[in-house]
Amino acid sequence: AQKITQTQPGMFVQEKEAVTLDCTYDTSDPSYGLFWYKQPSSGEMIFLIYQGSYDQQNATEGRYSLNFQKARKSANLVISASQLGDSAMYFCAMREGLTGGGNKLTFGTGTQLKVEL
Amino acid sequence: GAVVSQHPSRVICKSGTSVKIECRSLDFQATTMFWYRQFPKQSLMLMATSNEGSKATYEQGVEKDKFLINHASLTLSTLTVTSAHPEDSSFYICSAPPNPLQGGADEQFFGPGTRLTVL
Repeated sequence: AQKITQTQPGMFVQEKEAVTLDCTYDTSDPSYGLFWYKQPSSGEMIFLIYQGSYDQQNATEGRYSLNFQKARKSANLVISASQLGDSAMYFCAMREGLTGGGNKLTFGTGTQLKVEL
Repeated sequence: GAVVSQHPSRVICKSGTSVKIECRSLDFQATTMFWYRQFPKQSLMLMATSNEGSKATYEQGVEKDKFLINHASLTLSTLTVTSAHPEDSSFYICSAPPNPLQGGADEQFFGPGTRLTVL
């Protein structure tokens, strides 16, 4: 079974609008972390936001927020006020275990976001 | 934030040659580093976990004799693609989580990647 599922291969959004990128996950580990990364055409992986499984509140980082619904095992990324520079591939990832050292990330298949004028 | 560098950023080589890619953590110590491979328009797939002072752990289906990993110090891991062939052409990217024993954060830091083209 897929551990991380991103069902939207591509998304379009108009500039200044908000967009939600979907991510669902599957794990039996009670301790886990969820990440979102942005990958522009240059290839670098840019960290956007992190949510720990025990965090009570949804994570927010500037225009990025994570809609964490633990019971549904979903961790959707919301980008508000989209900008042309937001056009990129977005990956959702999960780390099983809460501590950073030694625990690998498992990535979803990604969503290609295109912001239009 | 913490920085991870990779060298080279791009390499083109002939089939049959070996290519070494370096991954360095610049301002923190990384006892563990991860090597990923990404084919065009696909996701990142973990190849192996590099452990300082011990053997790397390879994911299922990854040939350890073809992809040699050496974690020589707390700041350097190298991936050598031996006898490279065109099907090895890919984007190779490393990551390093900060050492939690040194108060590291949750984030994993990625290098900028190395684009390998084998002719």
